[in-house]
Amino acid sequence: GENVEQHPSTLSVQEGDSAVIKCTYSDSASNYFPWYKQELGKRPQLIIDIRSNVGEKKDQRIAVTLNKTAKHFSLHITETQPEDSAVYFCAAPGTGRRALTFGSGTRLQVQP
Amino acid sequence: EADIYQTPRYLVIGTGKKITLECSQTMGHDKMYWYQQDPGMELHLIHYSYGVNSTEKGDLSSESTVSRIRTEHFPLTLESARPSHTSQYLCASSARDSTGELFFGEGSRLTVL
Repeated sequence: GENVEQHPSTLSVQEGDSAVIKCTYSDSASNYFPWYKQELGKRPQLIIDIRSNVGEKKDQRIAVTLNKTAKHFSLHITETQPEDSAVYFCAAPGTGRRALTFGSGTRLQVQP
Repeated sequence: EADIYQTPRYLVIGTGKKITLECSQTMGHDKMYWYQQDPGMELHLIHYSYGVNSTEKGDLSSESTVSRIRTEHFPLTLESARPSHTSQYLCASSARDSTGELFFGEGSRLTVL
């Protein structure tokens, strides 16, 4: 089945700095790579996703890049703000595309 | 407003009790899922359903069972709760398979004493 590894597990940055979170996946047939944000005590919510026919996608201060050859994708957050503090999860389709397999999560702390 | 609803939000019960966690969605989605998550930790798929009368076990072994008699309803049952079942249970739905956005409920936090 699909195996998704996510690094780092924790990340602390100063407000205004950039943050990068990286994930690798194992199934070369995977073609959809979403990122979810979970604030403390809240439900996970999709913030950005990318499909395998593109290498990069941006939405204001967040961007995702995909390297299909190396089987890794990354989340980039620029000009970080305290409200960016949360746990971020990457994901990829599981075996037979039945459900998403999530990475282990990255706890991002933005220091004011 | 279209959403996915879970009840109860919090439940504290004694060992051996039977519990059912309710999940309903008004999104019109065929696909529904249950994930288990310790606070702030990894999301583990325990059950999923592609439609009425279709249920499958997920990647993480679970003693819970599910049913899908109606499209909008996907309850999870534990016949005899144990302290090891203490966790947060997140219900989710999607319009597509694993290549589409997943919408989560607010979760049911279960504590078994």
